[in-house]
Amino acid sequence: KAGVTQTPRYLIKTRGQQVTLSCSPISGHRSVSWYQQTPGQGLQFLFEYFSETQRNKGNFPGRFSGRQFSNSRSEMNVSTLELGDSALYLCASSLSSGLVYEQYFGPGTRLTVT
Amino acid sequence: QKEVEQDPGPLSVPEGAIVSLNCTYSNSAFQYFMWYRQYSRKGPELLMYTYSSGNKEDGRFTAQVDKSSKYISLFIRDSQPSDSATYLCAPNTGNQFYFGTGTSLTVIP
Repeated sequence: KAGVTQTPRYLIKTRGQQVTLSCSPISGHRSVSWYQQTPGQGLQFLFEYFSETQRNKGNFPGRFSGRQFSNSRSEMNVSTLELGDSALYLCASSLSSGLVYEQYFGPGTRLTVT
Repeated sequence: QKEVEQDPGPLSVPEGAIVSLNCTYSNSAFQYFMWYRQYSRKGPELLMYTYSSGNKEDGRFTAQVDKSSKYISLFIRDSQPSDSATYLCAPNTGNQFYFGTGTSLTVIP
């Protein structure tokens, strides 16, 4: 069974621009969560989507948004990029919402903001 | 105060050593205690988890939780070079994860 895939793997953007990251979950998984990973803060939860609805949200500004499509694929958007948004963005999928012990992570998208 | 505190290391040990990785947490609502391993340029992978207090053993790995002191430990016996990775503790409420910053471990052959 194919794992979680994320595209693109690497991205370089300029301050003020916006960016969209994509995540394809494992086949049959309906929950997708997004995380930001930085050396200083570690992994921080952004939001979780289940059946196209946002179920949980972390403590990030409104510039960070996401959505989920009917095929469970998810996108994350960051508008008005800031230097501090440079990070590894990880997507994780699971069969259902709340089954946190079954989360499977993708390889991440490395975003660099200059 | 952060939800989870974890010593970032780096930790360097010789092959065959016993490794102890630790985290402290502040939220009494945490019920599940997970450990993830993250190799360079990869996403985290679930190593093992425990529910509530106690010990759980899986091969060379033992996870231990002490809810009274809010202390989480992962022990690796007979460490191997392939164990070289970053280890993240992740206590959670069943709905949301809180990750430690990770401890970087290098096992020297």
